[in-house]
This record gives sequence, structure tokens and C-alpha cells, in this order.
Amino acid sequence: SQTIHQWPATLVQPVGSPLSLECTVEGTSNPNLYWYRQAAGRGLQLLFYSVGIGQISSEVPQNLSASRPQDRQFILSSKKLLLSDSGFYLCAWRGQGAKEQYFGPGTRLTVT
Amino acid sequence: QQQVKQSPQSLIVQKGGIPIINCAYENTAFDYFPWYQQFPGKGPALLIAIRPDVSEKKEGRFTISFNKSAKQFSLHIMDSQPGDSATYFCAAKTGTASKLTFGTGTRLQVTL
Repeated sequence: SQTIHQWPATLVQPVGSPLSLECTVEGTSNPNLYWYRQAAGRGLQLLFYSVGIGQISSEVPQNLSASRPQDRQFILSSKKLLLSDSGFYLCAWRGQGAKEQYFGPGTRLTVT
Repeated sequence: QQQVKQSPQSLIVQKGGIPIINCAYENTAFDYFPWYQQFPGKGPALLIAIRPDVSEKKEGRFTISFNKSAKQFSLHIMDSQPGDSATYFCAAKTGTASKLTFGTGTRLQVTL
């Protein structure tokens, strides 16, 4: 069966510090991968998606970036965090040819 | 045109009641409509989904009704239980990359 992991689970970072969040998927090959952000009490906003290694599409211009160094690894990064980057970051995957997206447990990021 | 509008924002029902959550969309390119259930601090879990060529889909106590001409769809929870208390999100998929556009969520509370 497929599983998706995210770490860290929680993170508190000062403004201006760098960020690296990691997502890995097990039990599937060549998945589509997605990064979403959820602000408190709000819906989910798609940030980035990837259809393959090294292929990243950005949905929202911002100071975040994403990379996919391996087939089942997706990384969300920032060089300098802003207060507005606080939120709940969710990674999701979709199997090739499938419609369903499955979410990971999320990372709660607080920028102070 | 990419929006999915969800209502109500919050809902309180008694145990055994049938909460109904509604969503509306404009973009006729959407071709798949999932619902997600999210508990506090957790990632959203796929609950049930429907294609636009189907008017109703039932899985257990959860039913989606879909009105293609009105561009509306809704989630019904039969015989609701306190364990159903969660936030529910509708979403709509578009494109070969399966990008999801989410509603703003409905916080459901089922009381005893």
C-alpha cells in the first residue's frame, strides 16, 4: 500500500530564516506530487505540482520554491521566510492515470 | 472562474440528523469533484468523489448529489454521528495535471 510522509510535523522559524520541508511517498512509482498551503480556517491553496523528476510548476508567485530530486521526494524551500508564510503545509500525491489525490499529515509552520 | 464556492461556513446538527453541504462552480472544464474530511491538525482525507456524468453517488452514509446544469454539487451525511464532526472541503479537478481547486470548507459539529 502507498504511504506519504512529511517532516517535520511542526516548525517554528524566525523571519528571514531558510526553510526546507520534505515529503516522500512509498509504494508507488512516478507519482504526481503537489504542495498546498492551508491558512488558519481557510481552504487549501495549490502552490506547486510536479509530474516528474526535476519538473516543477508554480501556481502562486511567492518567495517559496519546490524541487523534486528523486521520483518520490518533493521538497518545499525558502531562502528567507516571511511572517505571511505561516500556515499548514500539505503534500499530496496522485498515481499515474488516477484522479484521486491523497494528502500527507502536514507540517505546521509558524514564522515568528 | 477557477473558484469553488462552498456553504455554509459552519453547521451544527444533532446526532442522527442529515447535514447538507453545498458547492457551486463556474468552470465547465472541471471534470472530477472530490470531497475531503479533515480533523484538526490532520491532513485532509478523501471521502467520496463524483464525475460530472453521474447525478448521485453513495458510499456508506455519505452521498454526493450533482447537478451539472446548475453547476452545483452537495454532500449529504446520513445518520450523522459525533465522530463526523470535522471540516469538510469540496474540490474540483481540472487539467491533465489534476490540479484541485478547493472550497473554503464547512465546519460540522454533530451534537448528542
